[in-house]
Amino acid sequence: DADVTQTPRNRITKTGKRIMLECSQTKGHDRMYWYRQDPGLGLRLIYYSFDVKDINKGEISDGYSVSRQAQAKFSLSLESAIPNQTALYFCATSDLQRNEQFFGPGTRLTVL
Amino acid sequence: DAKTTQPTSMDCAEGRAANLPCNHSTISGNEYVYWYRQIHSQGPQYIIHGLKNNETNEMASLIITEDRKSSTLILPHATLRDTAVYYCIVYGRGSWGKLQFGAGTQVVVTP
Repeated sequence: DADVTQTPRNRITKTGKRIMLECSQTKGHDRMYWYRQDPGLGLRLIYYSFDVKDINKGEISDGYSVSRQAQAKFSLSLESAIPNQTALYFCATSDLQRNEQFFGPGTRLTVL
Repeated sequence: DAKTTQPTSMDCAEGRAANLPCNHSTISGNEYVYWYRQIHSQGPQYIIHGLKNNETNEMASLIITEDRKSSTLILPHATLRDTAVYYCIVYGRGSWGKLQFGAGTQVVVTP
């Protein structure tokens, strides 16, 4: 969905490097989410935010941190990347009423 | 949140209806059934959701049994572009927006 953009789309990095994945949305939604997806598996929630001052851990937050810089921007950081963080990362947004989540195109991250 | 059970995979002929089952026998009275799909590593796409009544939109129909322990997503005229992984998710307001994705059903539409 073009209303949710993620940068970069692909990234290869080395173990120990700090990486930031960025997400922007033009849908005006308050809620934003970060998920990761490993091959053959469903998505797992890393962090979520219901407004600029609200940050919550999901089921697999260890090794990750987030920043909600504005309503429209939600960044995911890997402070010291490790190979098992190699995955496909998705950002999503939703509004308060419907919980229909709109997903970005994903970032494919490879940690060597 | 209630767990869901879906078949791992299913095939469907192009132009035919695709009927995707989902079991959610432990669903609570205030939990909804949501369906999303993911086309080859793209971001998941919302399809439809319902509480207890059948629902229809431009993409699909959702049939929920009277006891709400199972549901069926119907793609009325499957096309090759409907080849995707389909996720059935039970969601309650108390989940605070968090969706629990399982492994889903890989649907392959064949010519």
